[in-house]
This record gives sequence, C-alpha cells and structure tokens, in this order.
Amino acid sequence: EDQVTQSPEALRLQEGESSSLNCSYTVSGLRGLFWYRQDPGKGPEFLFTLYSAGEEKEKERLKATLTKKESFLHITAPKPEDSATYLCAVQGEAGTALIFGKGTTLSVSS
Amino acid sequence: DADVTQTPRNRITKTGKRIMLECSQTKGHDRMYWYRQDPGLGLRLIYYSFDVKDINKGEISDGYSVSRQAQAKFSLSLESAIPNQTALYFCATSDYLGQPQHFGDGTRLSIL
Repeated sequence: EDQVTQSPEALRLQEGESSSLNCSYTVSGLRGLFWYRQDPGKGPEFLFTLYSAGEEKEKERLKATLTKKESFLHITAPKPEDSATYLCAVQGEAGTALIFGKGTTLSVSS
Repeated sequence: DADVTQTPRNRITKTGKRIMLECSQTKGHDRMYWYRQDPGLGLRLIYYSFDVKDINKGEISDGYSVSRQAQAKFSLSLESAIPNQTALYFCATSDYLGQPQHFGDGTRLSIL
C-alpha cells in the first residue's frame, strides 16, 4: 500500500534559523513526488516535483531533495512569510491519485 | 482570475439536504479530481475524471456522486448530506500522469 509520513507535525523556527522537513514514503514505482504549500483558507499551492533519487529542485529559500525512501524540504534562513503547512504527496505507477501526507505546519517568528 | 474556481466557498446546510459543489478550470487540463480534507487525516480522493466520458471512484466515494459537464467543469454532489461529510472540499486538475495537480481554494462545507 502506498503511504506517506511527514515529520515533524509542527515546527517553530526563529527568522533566519534553517531547518528541514521530512517526507518518508513507500510506493510501488514512483511516478513523482510532489511538495505543496498550503496557507489557511487556501488550496495547496504546487512547489516542486521530483522524479528520481538524487534529484534536487530549488526555489528561493526552499530546496527539495529525493532519495529512494524519503524527501527533504530544506528551508534556508526562513522568513515569517514562509509560515504555512507543507504537504508531501506521491504518485505510484499503478495509481492515479496523489497520496498525501498529513503535512508539517511551519511557524516562523521574527 | 484563478485557474481553478470552486463555488460556493462556504456552505452550511442541514442533514438530509442535497448539495452540489462546482468546479471550473481555465487551465485546459483533461484530468479533474475531487478531494476532501479533514484535520488529522489529510487529503483523500473522492472521484476523478480523465475526460468528459470517464468517471472513476476514488478512495472514499460512498455518499458522493459527480458529473463532468464539459472539459472545464466537474461537479460533486452529496445526495443526502450527513454530519460526517463536514469537511474542506478541493477540486484539482492535471495535465497527465506524473504531472502536478493544481488545486482550487476549496469549499468549506458544514452539515448540521
């Protein structure tokens, strides 16, 4: 069964304090691993797609990496506007749905 | 204007009522999806459609039905609403398998 586990559930950082969010997954044949950002009252906003182990994607203060068992979302020198819930999802070769983790809620204080 | 538009944004209704949630998109994608989001459970797939003539059940389709009226429109119905269908509902679209899904801003549905 395809499964996604995200940790930690919640993370509080000071502005400028770098950290990483973890997404562990099990899937039969990975078609893609997706990172989303969700703000309160909004739908998930697409950030990155990773397709194969060793791949990395970067956007502003965010960098996503992928291994055969997990993905990390590294946040460098975060700002308060980076506060949101970050969702990880996978799509396996047999599936059409995205299988989502429960998310990590990040709070960055100034 | 948003690429994926959901209406209504909020709805409060009573047990037993029929409810329709609507989704329209301007992204030109063939694939459309309905998810629900519950605290502690994450996002779960209700129904999906790969084109106008294709409708498929997802993980939690019981109590729901859908209609794909056009490439750009996909509606979700609750024939007889019950309180445990209270949730956030999201519509999403995608181009093809392996491509990211793009979400609307959701409908917050409360069933009393």
